[in-house]
Amino acid sequence: QKEVEQDPGPLSVPEGAIVSLNCTYSNSAFQYFMWYRQYSRKGPELLMYTYSSGNKEDGRFTAQVDKSSKYISLFIRDSQPSDSATYLCACFSGTYKYIFGTGTRLKVLA
Amino acid sequence: NAGVMQNPRHLVRRRGQEARLRCSPMKGHSHVYWYRQLPEEGLKFMVYLQKENIIDESGMPKERFSAEFPKEGPSILRIQQVVRGDSAAYFCASSPGTKETQYFGPGTRLLVL
Repeated sequence: QKEVEQDPGPLSVPEGAIVSLNCTYSNSAFQYFMWYRQYSRKGPELLMYTYSSGNKEDGRFTAQVDKSSKYISLFIRDSQPSDSATYLCACFSGTYKYIFGTGTRLKVLA
Repeated sequence: NAGVMQNPRHLVRRRGQEARLRCSPMKGHSHVYWYRQLPEEGLKFMVYLQKENIIDESGMPKERFSAEFPKEGPSILRIQQVVRGDSAAYFCASSPGTKETQYFGPGTRLLVL
């Protein structure tokens, strides 16, 4: 079993839709949770960074962590074609090694 | 403030040649991490370095792969005698400290013919 599981998609939604992206993890030691966005043939770009359980909001993006169920989510409101990318979740126990999901490919249709 | 820089962006090598990938961390960052990404796969940790020290190389194959981060200059990931299976995107990330957020460079795409 992978430490971090993520549905690879692809996920296609119409412009303006609310997008929900999810990951599950197995290691209870993970304390920090990140979402990165990666455009085709580019490097990952940090979107959201959360510590422990709870919600964090930044503009159209909301990150949610439920440590009791080992489930992390990223919500994108009013999705735009420019949001089309691969979204990677990453988990971190506080040492230095990030464990990434495989990424979910998102396509927002104009 | 320049981000993490990697060069070359694309590298083509024939089997048996050497590949050298360079990474300059963000200003003020002394921690460097190398990851490999294969198509349809996530980023896999390879090695973690601080200036002049390898902290953890557990994700790096023991044969043919090496990494360094000298006191002066960029971090180097070196792959000797490349094989077709080494074809991948290699990303470097940097952070100011161990528990700090990692910021990624644009990657080097290695193609082995």
